[in-house]
Amino acid sequence: GENVEQHPSTLSVQEGDSAVIKCTYSDSASNYFPWYKQELGKGPQLIIDIRSNVGEKKDQRIAVTLNKTAKHFSLHITETQPEDSAVYFCAASINSGAGSYQLTFGKGTKLSVIP
Amino acid sequence: KAGVTQTPRYLIKTRGQQVTLSCSPISGHRSVSWYQQTPGQGLQFLFEYFSETQRNKGNFPGRFSGRQFSNSRSEMNVSTLELGDSALYLCASSLGTGPQHFGDGTRLSIL
Repeated sequence: GENVEQHPSTLSVQEGDSAVIKCTYSDSASNYFPWYKQELGKGPQLIIDIRSNVGEKKDQRIAVTLNKTAKHFSLHITETQPEDSAVYFCAASINSGAGSYQLTFGKGTKLSVIP
Repeated sequence: KAGVTQTPRYLIKTRGQQVTLSCSPISGHRSVSWYQQTPGQGLQFLFEYFSETQRNKGNFPGRFSGRQFSNSRSEMNVSTLELGDSALYLCASSLGTGPQHFGDGTRLSIL
């Protein structure tokens, strides 16, 4: 089955700096890659996603890049703010053929933004 | 638009009991997926329902089961509870093949 590795497990940055989180996946059939942000006591919140036919996607301070050949994708957060502090999860999905997306998650990255 | 609603938010049970968790998806969403989140194993897929049919199943024992009703609401049942079942159980809904949106989960503690 699919396996997703996520690095680093913890990341501390100064407010205003950039943060980068990297993930690799094992199954070349994976074609959908979402990123989630989870705050304490809350469920994961979708922040950005990318499909395999796109190499890069940006939404304000957040961007995701995908390298299908190397089977890795990355989350980039620029101009970090204290409210960006949370646990971030990457995921990869294999289209089961019946139209559903079964998400396989990385272990998460705890991001701390220091004011 | 209301998000995914999970009830109850917290639950305490003892070993051997059974439990039922409920999930109301975003209006119009027909797919409901369930995940288990633990510190050791992270987020793991349990199963997915679409139009009242189980469409996908993860690698969990048969003690874990679910169902979906005609209004897309879903329930998850765990029988013969074990200490290792203590976890945050998350429900996510989607239109079918689109992005999954999560609820805030049910925190299940087994004594």
